Amino acid sequence: GAVVSQHPSWVICKSGTSVKIECRSLDFQATTMFWYRQFPKQSLMLMATSNEGSKATYEQGVEKDKFLINHASLTLSTLTVTSAHPEDSSFYICSARVGGQGNGQPQHFGDGTRLSIL
Amino acid sequence: AQTVTQSQPEMSVQEAETVTLSCTYDTSENNYYLFWYKQPPSRQMILVIRQEAYKQQNATENRFSVNFQKAAKSFSLKISDSQLGDTAMYFCAFMKPGGDQFYFGTGTSLTVIP
Repeated sequence: GAVVSQHPSWVICKSGTSVKIECRSLDFQATTMFWYRQFPKQSLMLMATSNEGSKATYEQGVEKDKFLINHASLTLSTLTVTSAHPEDSSFYICSARVGGQGNGQPQHFGDGTRLSIL
Repeated sequence: AQTVTQSQPEMSVQEAETVTLSCTYDTSENNYYLFWYKQPPSRQMILVIRQEAYKQQNATENRFSVNFQKAAKSFSLKISDSQLGDTAMYFCAFMKPGGDQFYFGTGTSLTVIP
């Protein structure tokens, strides 16, 4: 149980293109999902916390207008990288938590999306 | 902010041997949660083990066990009978009670040598 699906797994596009990444919880409802960015051989950096039915909470230094997050249902959150540039190239990972806030349950992660901007 | 430190950027171990990965953290909380995640070359983050700070007993999952020293704020992961499939990045993570956010360490790259 607790499977998180992330799509696409790899995308290559031209500079200036907007790219949408989907994160789905397949067998549970996730009121909260998380979006991370990971550079090679580094740790995960939390970008934002996505809450169903409300605005996402962004970490300091993350541009809200560049990284649009929509959590329209209990099983789907999307991250759109708008007008992507080469410096946005990275590995993006989503995760979802089972149950309510503060219950100490682990986050379950998607397989990640490798984004390459030419 | 909470800080999580993994002081070993890279480690290696012979197949079938035992290896211990270290993790320390800084917090003023009394109750919290600790996790170890594994990230193999496929890049998927896989939960290895979870520990609740108010439980004194060390968590165990098959070949994986932890040595949780609350007073020392230490949470090391022991891998017994290492297998080639254990080759991965290992991340230690901290979560406050009532919180959402994970605080990750910088990771330890483990290579199991045949």
